[in-house]
Amino acid sequence: RKEVEQDPGPFNVPEGATVAFNCTYSNSASQSFFWYRQDCRKEPKLLMSVYSSGNEDGRFTAQLNRASQYISLLIRDSKLSDSATYLCVVNGRYGGSQGNLIFGKGTKLSVKP
Amino acid sequence: NAGVTQTPKFQVLKTGQSMTLQCAQDMNHEYMSWYRQDPGMGLRLIHYSVGAGITDQGEVPNGYNVSRSTTEDFPLRLLSAAPSQTSVYFCASSYQGRDYGYTFGSGTRLTVV
Repeated sequence: RKEVEQDPGPFNVPEGATVAFNCTYSNSASQSFFWYRQDCRKEPKLLMSVYSSGNEDGRFTAQLNRASQYISLLIRDSKLSDSATYLCVVNGRYGGSQGNLIFGKGTKLSVKP
Repeated sequence: NAGVTQTPKFQVLKTGQSMTLQCAQDMNHEYMSWYRQDPGMGLRLIHYSVGAGITDQGEVPNGYNVSRSTTEDFPLRLLSAAPSQTSVYFCASSYQGRDYGYTFGSGTRLTVV
């Protein structure tokens, strides 16, 4: 099983739609979880952290299920500007207590007018 | 604040040449790391550092060296460039590593011919 797995997509959705991405991770000892956004030919940028209790930031909601080792990202009322690749990220096995971050390969979202 | 600055943005090398990719951050982050991103492979960790004078290997360290003489700088050295090292290289830094997410530089696009 790969350390972090995501559906590569692409997800093609109309403006205003609600879209959900899922991610699974293999290391049950992982303690930190994030969603990053990466625009074409740009660097990844932190979208939001994912907490055990779930968290929401405007139109974005992240959920964590430790028992199933599963993370989700929900985007409501999609905008054209949401078009990007979304990277699921967990802390991995390098770095001892620091726990380097392991990146999924990303899920591509394309929001159409 | 400049954040994380990478130079150069683009580079073409001949096989066997050596070069250093520069990375500097002005956020007083202790934690810095280098990733490479290849199509279909996602981001893979090359080397990381948890503070000045401390470095360690990540997932794909072969062919690369790093040093961390100051908190601000974390250069990546390619010892003898090979076509397999053609990639986009990202430097990232973090306040305390896993719990706070990373800030990425804008990347270096390297082609080895």
